[in-house]
Amino acid sequence: AQTVTQSQPEMSVQEAETVTLSCTYDTSESDYYLFWYKQPPSRQMILVIRQEAYKQQNATENRFSVNFQKAAKSFSLKISDSQLGDAAMYFCAYTGDSNYQLIWGAGTKLIIKP
Amino acid sequence: AAGVIQSPRHLIKEKRETATLKCYPIPRHDTVYWYQQGPGQDPQFLISFYEKMQSDKGSIPDRFSAQQFSDYHSELNMSSLELGDSALYFCASSLVAYGYTFGSGTRLTVV
Repeated sequence: AQTVTQSQPEMSVQEAETVTLSCTYDTSESDYYLFWYKQPPSRQMILVIRQEAYKQQNATENRFSVNFQKAAKSFSLKISDSQLGDAAMYFCAYTGDSNYQLIWGAGTKLIIKP
Repeated sequence: AAGVIQSPRHLIKEKRETATLKCYPIPRHDTVYWYQQGPGQDPQFLISFYEKMQSDKGSIPDRFSAQQFSDYHSELNMSSLELGDSALYFCASSLVAYGYTFGSGTRLTVV
């Protein structure tokens, strides 16, 4: 069965600095998608970035980028120039090509220090 | 280790029928969350409960209601089902500072 692991329950970073959130996963599938979602206090899940496993190039969305290491099954999220509005829970998630269901990590609480 | 259990795994209902989805959280977790994820969409937060009391409310339609029982399991009741209610419904439970655990979801198909 597929699993997603986020080993950092909480991370803190100074405003304007860079922080990296870790995510590892386990799967035997060859085609899949990986996601990072942001959950602000409103509880909504906001898609931050998405990576298709068949693409070697790391996905980037403005200040957010990923380091996708397929062989190592690692999918870390880097947030550059951290802003106060980035404070939230961040969830890593996986979906296989044959499975519509999302498999979630436990989440990492990101704290931004002004 | 025990996970969040959701039942049923799959459910097919006709329009205007009623459905009840169940979620059994991790023992000793004090908060339960419900999410709805339509095809190709981001999960939408519906509602959450903390210690059996509703704590947050999201985009839950008036046709839906939910509650958490004394044994901490939660039920999402959906009435007058519409085709657009077809989605994956999953719940998560958490205990402060210990992270979330998500269930595998209930796939509801309304025909």
